[in-house]
Amino acid sequence: DTGVSQNPRHKITKRGQNVTFRCDPISEHNRLYWYRQTLGQGPEFLTYFQNEAQLEKSRLLSDRFSAERPKGSFSTLEIQRTEQGDSAMYLCASSLHSGGAYEQYFGPGTRLTVT
Amino acid sequence: AQRVTQPEKLLSVFKGAPVELKCNYSYSGSPELFWYVQYSRQRLQLLLRHISRESIKGFTADLNKGETSFHLKKPFAQEEDSAMYYCALSAAGANSKLTFGKGITLSVRP
Repeated sequence: DTGVSQNPRHKITKRGQNVTFRCDPISEHNRLYWYRQTLGQGPEFLTYFQNEAQLEKSRLLSDRFSAERPKGSFSTLEIQRTEQGDSAMYLCASSLHSGGAYEQYFGPGTRLTVT
Repeated sequence: AQRVTQPEKLLSVFKGAPVELKCNYSYSGSPELFWYVQYSRQRLQLLLRHISRESIKGFTADLNKGETSFHLKKPFAQEEDSAMYYCALSAAGANSKLTFGKGITLSVRP
């Protein structure tokens, strides 16, 4: 296991198109998080899953955004009708929720550019 | 609401100089505080967390609940410490979302 992976690494799309990103967490990790990072800012929380259940969604996650983790393994983040303001780095992280100390392991991110 | 403030964007020091990266937080409950680091062309990774009270790569950070601060310190900076550093907060024991500051670029000159 080489850690959290994300695909694609880069995506350029035209305004109005739909895009989908994938995140593969570390295999034994039951929690999966999505963050968004824009230039000059720290990562901002979007949503997270425990297994296949989506437990929390940020107000940043508009109706155009949807995330799934159908079998409690990989997750997808879809953005419909993209806007230029959606241009950002989308980060995925995973962790093992076991009641004790934990660490969120981050993927390399998917950089989205909306033209 | 949770908020993390890193008041400086850039800190540039010479090798061997002391480093202090400031972090202040706002949270009504009991927080867990973290420092994450991102080296050039690498992914974000955990540097240290306050509950472990460890020194990682010579860095330490003490949670000061009175001043709501979690400053990162190192007595003698090395060139390989040059990176982007983010302070982050989570609700204690909840293993939930992280709230990050805007980050600070540390540049260590030879």
